[in-house]
Amino acid sequence: DAKTTQPPSMDCAEGRAANLPCNHSTISGNEYVYWYRQIHSQGPQYIIHGLKNNETNEMASLIITEDRKSSTLILPHATLRDTAVYYCIVVNFGNEKLTFGTGTRLTIIP
Amino acid sequence: GAVVSQHPSRVICKSGTSVKIECRSLDFQATTMFWYRQFPKQSLMLMATSNEGSKATYEQGVEKDKFLINHASLTLSTLTVTSAHPEDSSFYICSSLARDYGYTFGSGTRLTVV
Repeated sequence: DAKTTQPPSMDCAEGRAANLPCNHSTISGNEYVYWYRQIHSQGPQYIIHGLKNNETNEMASLIITEDRKSSTLILPHATLRDTAVYYCIVVNFGNEKLTFGTGTRLTIIP
Repeated sequence: GAVVSQHPSRVICKSGTSVKIECRSLDFQATTMFWYRQFPKQSLMLMATSNEGSKATYEQGVEKDKFLINHASLTLSTLTVTSAHPEDSSFYICSSLARDYGYTFGSGTRLTVV
């Protein structure tokens, strides 16, 4: 699986949009970008995933650059409950293993 | 959506005893289950991949005789930590791939060996 690079930590004011970047410069054409988050002492929670196109669901938006070498997860109106570690993962379904990087610890500030 | 139920959520055991952790897929068939371990303030590390009806595949450095994995049915996979020691204290998490829902994770098991 391709490696990903994320900033170790970020702060965001409550109510503002949180933009979490991820670099995956060695991504292959058939690899997806997945985002998960982990709140303390819980299992990871699925947020969103994409291949080439930008995606949006009820939780977040995913913006993937045209060359697919980076992406940004956007939480449009961050709340205190969004405080968590966010993981950007590149997945090759042929391999099926999910390999976690160090993630970004997002802290939402009141 | 796909749900993986993991039990127990936390367990304390004496050094030298064995502990079994169960993960059940509630509304889908889990052909493959992934087992992770997470130490405090660290990321999830894949330990092994269990496949229904066949032997598990262990990652490099993970002792297969210490971490016994059984995946006898399409809805149940178990991880047994044998002869547990304090250094085995960790957060253990299972995950499975449901084709229509992606990777689903259990809620984790906090193991403390005293």
